[in-house]
Amino acid sequence: GQQLNQSPQSMFIQEGEDVSMNCTSSSIFNTWLWYKQEPGEGPVLLIALYKAGELTSNGRLTAQFGITRKDSFLNISASIPSDVGIYFCAGQLEYGGSQGNLIFGKGTKLSVKP
Amino acid sequence: DVKVTQSSRYLVKRTGEKVFLECVQDMDHENMFWYRQDPGLGLRLIYFSYDVKMKEKGDIPEGYSVSREKKERFSLILESASTNQTSMYLCASSLLGAISYEQYFGPGTRLTVT
Repeated sequence: GQQLNQSPQSMFIQEGEDVSMNCTSSSIFNTWLWYKQEPGEGPVLLIALYKAGELTSNGRLTAQFGITRKDSFLNISASIPSDVGIYFCAGQLEYGGSQGNLIFGKGTKLSVKP
Repeated sequence: DVKVTQSSRYLVKRTGEKVFLECVQDMDHENMFWYRQDPGLGLRLIYFSYDVKMKEKGDIPEGYSVSREKKERFSLILESASTNQTSMYLCASSLLGAISYEQYFGPGTRLTVT
């Protein structure tokens, strides 16, 4: 099936540092979503992107829909301990995908040291 | 706010038992999904449904069945549980239409089959 390559797989950072992660694919997407999952919980939607080049913020989080429509980026500024969790990207394929179905990245596990 | 609830947070069953996992959403969403989540494998789609009494196989339907008798409720059934079905099961729902790609997840059911 289609793959989304999400990197890095894990990050260990100091509180206050900025964080960047990304998802890439060889396929074109018409939607990018970013989720956060805390231990023992379901993923929670953070940001949704629908246009190439779109830049959207949610508090300290900023995500961008890549111009090529094959990638997306998530940045977290001034990290705090409660940012800990696994961040997933998800996308809807432009072609070949079932309507409403998403392709998920495997996640970036973020650890923040106080 | 969208609310997706799952019948159990933790479940322990014996090999060969029939297992029912239930999911209910309160936002009148047409689409509902069942995923399993395993370390290193990410989220994998088991089944999805676009409407009442309608179901479609996802990427890993073997060993599972589903039922959707009411719009708000989507059940996942393990006819004869096996140890390789030990996993975290996540239900999600989304709208059918222009913004149909934002999936909202329940808290998950961690199933252990012994």
